[in-house]
Amino acid sequence: AQSVTQLDSHVSVSEGTPVLLRCNYSSSYSPSLFWYVQHPNKGLQLLLKYTSAATLVKGINGFEAEFKKSETSFHLTKPSAHMSDAAEYFCVVSETGRRALTFGSGTRLQVQP
Amino acid sequence: DAGVTQSPTHLIKTRGQQVTLRCSPKSGHDTVSWYQQALGQGPQFIFQYYEEEERQRGNFPDRFSGHQFPNYSSELNVNALLLGDSALYLCASSRGQGAKGNTIYFGEGSWLTVV
Repeated sequence: AQSVTQLDSHVSVSEGTPVLLRCNYSSSYSPSLFWYVQHPNKGLQLLLKYTSAATLVKGINGFEAEFKKSETSFHLTKPSAHMSDAAEYFCVVSETGRRALTFGSGTRLQVQP
Repeated sequence: DAGVTQSPTHLIKTRGQQVTLRCSPKSGHDTVSWYQQALGQGPQFIFQYYEEEERQRGNFPDRFSGHQFPNYSSELNVNALLLGDSALYLCASSRGQGAKGNTIYFGEGSWLTVV
């Protein structure tokens, strides 16, 4: 069975400081991993995805994530937060051959001026 | 190029009623999935449609049913509505069924309130 644990429900950073959103996954098979962002009253937007190529994945808006199999982690980082990054972030896993995406419970990112 | 479009955006229903939500996938996509997102939670997979057939189903009761049309658009039907069905219902589309190698696009959702 596949599952995702987002270790922080809320993260607050100051504008211009680094962002770290933590995610651990559980998967019986080779997983695909994703980070999605959801702004208020908006749909989900794909930030980046890992599908067994390079372990360091670069996404949109300066975000990146590193797949660490030994730690079963897929943390999301950004060197410098911007006010527009304030949103809900979801870590998502899907096993090879499965059609469903399994979402974590989300991390709300606040960016203070 | 329009992305995934859903209708209606908001609706209010009474317990016991039935509701139909609609989704048009992104151009070129043939697979539609539906997710339920309760307030403060991550989305949960309801089911996926491909070639007009339900291909996989999540842990949802039979009150939740769907349909896919020849033009790949889809409907989600919920019968005998319960207060707990109040949620944001998201439609996702992709080209092909698997998540690996496919980029899955989401619509902005339909907010359902059951009173």
